[in-house]
Amino acid sequence: ETGVTQSPTHLIKTRGQQVTLRCSSQSGHNTVSWYQQALGQGPQFIFQYYREEENGRGNFPPRFSGLQFPNYSSELNVNALELDDSALYLCASSPRGGDTGELFFGEGSRLTVL
Amino acid sequence: TQLLEQSPQFLSIQEGENLTVYCNSSSVFSSLQWYRQEPGEGPVLLVTVVTGGEVKKLKRLTFQFGDARKDSSLHITAAQPGDTGLYLCAGEGTGGFKTIFGAGTRLFVKA
Repeated sequence: ETGVTQSPTHLIKTRGQQVTLRCSSQSGHNTVSWYQQALGQGPQFIFQYYREEENGRGNFPPRFSGLQFPNYSSELNVNALELDDSALYLCASSPRGGDTGELFFGEGSRLTVL
Repeated sequence: TQLLEQSPQFLSIQEGENLTVYCNSSSVFSSLQWYRQEPGEGPVLLVTVVTGGEVKKLKRLTFQFGDARKDSSLHITAAQPGDTGLYLCAGEGTGGFKTIFGAGTRLFVKA
């Protein structure tokens, strides 16, 4: 069984640029959630995708957007990067719409904005 | 807004000591999860508690869900350096929010 994989693992961008992060869900999981984790903090919910539709969103501005593909993989896009966007971005997959609350995380993509 | 508050924020202890970390909320949760996260990695699910008053054991780790389902605790017996990490509690949010997390307890166990 393949776990959740994320790419890239590390990247550096400058203010104003755009970034796309990618996630492949665990085999058999149809739900993907994205979280932002700042240094020393717990993960903050960005949004969740279920069967290619957004299925819940946290307190993040519209410049944070996402997609889910028919194979349940997902992308997180962030436009007009700001310094405060520097964080670890975590993708988590779950089965059955994610209602169990049990999430399976990838190792994350660490974004640094200069 | 639902919040999960964890305490203490940081804990540094010697190998062999016991410890308890807490996760509290003013809201009722249908279930709570505990995760452990090591540096450079994503959180890993340890346990889910569902029933008020429930106690679950995972080797030297004991998890308890409060009777009112508003709080939970994690007790580690005879801590080992391998227990070092960030312990996060999580529960299902409301208003379109999915699973929300506390800020975590960072545990360091010295050999």
